[in-house]
Amino acid sequence: KNQVEQSPQSLIILEGKNCTLQCNYTVSPFSNLRWYKQDTGRGPVSLTIMTFSENTKSNGRYTATLDADTKQSSLHITASQLSDSASYICVVSRGNTDKLIFGTGTRLQVFP
Amino acid sequence: DAGVIQSPRHEVTEMGQEVTLRCKPISGHNSLFWYRQTMMRGLELLIYFNNNVPIDDSGMPEDRFSAKMPNASFSTLKIQPSEPRDSAVYFCASSVYEQFFGPGTRLTVL
Repeated sequence: KNQVEQSPQSLIILEGKNCTLQCNYTVSPFSNLRWYKQDTGRGPVSLTIMTFSENTKSNGRYTATLDADTKQSSLHITASQLSDSASYICVVSRGNTDKLIFGTGTRLQVFP
Repeated sequence: DAGVIQSPRHEVTEMGQEVTLRCKPISGHNSLFWYRQTMMRGLELLIYFNNNVPIDDSGMPEDRFSAKMPNASFSTLKIQPSEPRDSAVYFCASSVYEQFFGPGTRLTVL
């Protein structure tokens, strides 16, 4: 079954600290993996997109990694800010279709 | 560009009523997607169009749901009759490669 699982479900950290979110997937055939940030009351916004051949990609303080062999990805947030408080969703694209398979997200709260 | 535009932003209706959600994709995007998001199930794809043609509607829950895309700049998602379990946030997204999401419509069916 094509699934995307994320951990932890929720995470609380203090401002300035780093954190890492995890994503495991069983989607096949794999096309690409995306991390989205979703602020409360808004639509998801893409942070990174990685294809099979890419194993790391950065977007400012966000760094995503991909291990296509173990079917795992992580999103590392450096020097967290209050504005990082959001849900982070791991999304995998299957085959050569436009269809995306979504994880249920990690809810991150950053406190001062 | 204003991004993906959805209307209304909030809709409260009574069970049995017809609900129509509207979406204007980003100009030039050739794919359009309708999603539903709930706390229990997260984001689920309902249907997507490519060049105004429905490609995959396997996520549409049942016959009460229908979607149309009469032209490249407009799409509707209709629920008739609505039920309380349809309460959710409905997102529209459009893409050429990367999907851009609209702000969503929060639907509450009483």
